[in-house]
Amino acid sequence: SQQGEEDPQALSIQEGENATMNCSYKTSINNLQWYRQNSGRGLVHLILIRSNEREKHSGRLRVTLDTSKKSSSLLITASRAADTASYFCATDSNSGYALNFGKGTSLLVTP
Amino acid sequence: GAVVSQHPSWVICKSGTSVKIECRSLDFQATTMFWYRQFPKQSLMLMATSNEGSKATYEQGVEKDKFLINHASLTLSTLTVTSAHPEDSSFYICSASGAGGVHEQFFGPGTRLTVL
Repeated sequence: SQQGEEDPQALSIQEGENATMNCSYKTSINNLQWYRQNSGRGLVHLILIRSNEREKHSGRLRVTLDTSKKSSSLLITASRAADTASYFCATDSNSGYALNFGKGTSLLVTP
Repeated sequence: GAVVSQHPSWVICKSGTSVKIECRSLDFQATTMFWYRQFPKQSLMLMATSNEGSKATYEQGVEKDKFLINHASLTLSTLTVTSAHPEDSSFYICSASGAGGVHEQFFGPGTRLTVL
């Protein structure tokens, strides 16, 4: 069942700006992951943050996790036109490894 | 490493026919494979989880007689959409785990199914 909810649903920014997307979930999790999907394509794994971690970095990506608020954020710094895609958060729980995906944020980065 | 392929990339078929979609892990043994469905501008919905050599576990609301899943080897899982109808038109994505631990899933590129 769908668990994650991202906001905003859509985001339009200019190159060079930072993009922040948020994700909220409802039940306890083991891990939270962020994925990227270009239109009509498969998913690309961006970053995984474990439930006992609060922040993680990977290149221009910064992910935070607040388990008390059941929320996570993905920050893309110095965005590029090539970052245009949909971004999904996904959680897996202690009871299984299947991923529950959020509804996604559609990011448009204009040159 | 950890590459997952799907075949075909897209398929168009007539209503009432069956379509088979293959999901392969190319460079690792996938103990578990997952099948997702994604409608336009929507998120991925888990359809079923399959472990090699055992029956798939279907999510609530997914008809197991309509969406047949076979995971006969550690590198191949197939999804067969039987008697397809236009409402089955969707983007089907598989993922596989086993390379980096069960929590790390590697996704295939997806298969676009259009039923006329």
